[in-house]
Amino acid sequence: GENVEQHPSTLSVQEGDSAVIKCTYSDSASNYFPWYKQELGKGPQLIIDIRSNVGEKKDQRIAVTLNKTAKHFSLHITETQPEDSAVYFCAASTTSGSRLTFGEGTQLTVNP
Amino acid sequence: GAVVSQHPSRVICKSGTSVKIECRSLDFQATTMFWYRQFPKKSLMLMATSNEGSKATYEQGVEKDKFLINHASLTLSTLTVTSAHPEDSSFYICSARGGGTGGGYGYTFGSGTRLTVV
Repeated sequence: GENVEQHPSTLSVQEGDSAVIKCTYSDSASNYFPWYKQELGKGPQLIIDIRSNVGEKKDQRIAVTLNKTAKHFSLHITETQPEDSAVYFCAASTTSGSRLTFGEGTQLTVNP
Repeated sequence: GAVVSQHPSRVICKSGTSVKIECRSLDFQATTMFWYRQFPKKSLMLMATSNEGSKATYEQGVEKDKFLINHASLTLSTLTVTSAHPEDSSFYICSARGGGTGGGYGYTFGSGTRLTVV
């Protein structure tokens, strides 16, 4: 089955700096890669996603890149703010509607 | 956008009793629902997948008689933890797929239920 690895497990940055979280996946059939933000005591919220037919997607301060050849994808957050502090999860899915395989999560802390 | 409502958000129950958690898709029809369990500082662990009108498919190691899942309609799935014990204490999260804007593939998560068994 699919295996998703995520790094780093913790990341601390100063407000205004950029943050990068990286994930690798094992199943070359995976074609959907969402990123979720989870705040304490809440469910995951989708922040951005990318499909295998594109290499990069951006939404304001958030961007995701995908390298299908290397089987890795990354989340980039620019101009970080304290409210960006949360746990971020990457995930991968092989087909529409199939199960999501999650990475282990990254605790991002943005220091004011 | 797609909204999934999960209730209750917190529940405390005594050992040996059963607890039901509801997951509702408010503005779309959820053809598939997923139930996850999450331990502190850990990732989401898939427990089971259910399709409306069908029996749930449980992940290896998940006791189907312990965690009863019902997906009787396109907008409601329930997870019942039967004869709960302290080791069942955890954060349970549902996810629904159907329509909506959950990233194009329609995965929308509920807000989670913190279960504490005393």
